[in-house]
Amino acid sequence: AQSVTQPDIHITVSEGASLELRCNYSYGATPYLFWYVQSPGQGLQLLLKYFSGDTLVQGIKGFEAEFKRSQSSFNLRKPSVHWSDAAEYFCAVGTGTASKLTFGTGTRLQVTL
Amino acid sequence: NAGVMQNPRHLVRRRGQEARLRCSPMKGHSHVYWYRQLPEEGLKFMVYLQKENIIDESGMPKERFSAEFPKEGPSILRIQQVVRGDSAAYFCASSPTTKGGNEQYFGPGTRLTVT
Repeated sequence: AQSVTQPDIHITVSEGASLELRCNYSYGATPYLFWYVQSPGQGLQLLLKYFSGDTLVQGIKGFEAEFKRSQSSFNLRKPSVHWSDAAEYFCAVGTGTASKLTFGTGTRLQVTL
Repeated sequence: NAGVMQNPRHLVRRRGQEARLRCSPMKGHSHVYWYRQLPEEGLKFMVYLQKENIIDESGMPKERFSAEFPKEGPSILRIQQVVRGDSAAYFCASSPTTKGGNEQYFGPGTRLTVT
């Protein structure tokens, strides 16, 4: 069965600083990988996804993520964080034969001014 | 194109009552998924449905929980005889195809509180 690990429960960065959120997955075949963002009391919004092809994917709001098969990682990055990026970020993995998503436990991002 | 709709947004039930959560998928989407999010935790898959069929219910508790997606109308997640441990946010998502590679679009969630 697939699993996702987000090792950082809480991260604080200054506005304007760069950001990297870590995600490691466990799955025997090529995974389908996603990053979602959740603001307090809200649903989840898809930031970006990886299915195949170029391992560096671009998403909305200036986010990008890089799939590294050798490290079983799909880390999310942003070169310059804005105060509005403060939220909870979830990494998820899907498979080709089952459509359910398996989520990590999330990383809460706090942005200081 | 309206997004995934869920209602009610907030639901309060006393222990032993029934809770009914509704989800209308995005237009053109025929696949619905339900997830539960407990406080301070990630989302856990519950059930995956297509019109009139349950495809995967591996995440559903064996008792008190049921789900349906009828030919007409929204998908319903039903919780009978609710207990305090059922208090959580329940999210519905929809996707247009069966392939796992297609992203799921989430609704705003229903926050269930059991008193």
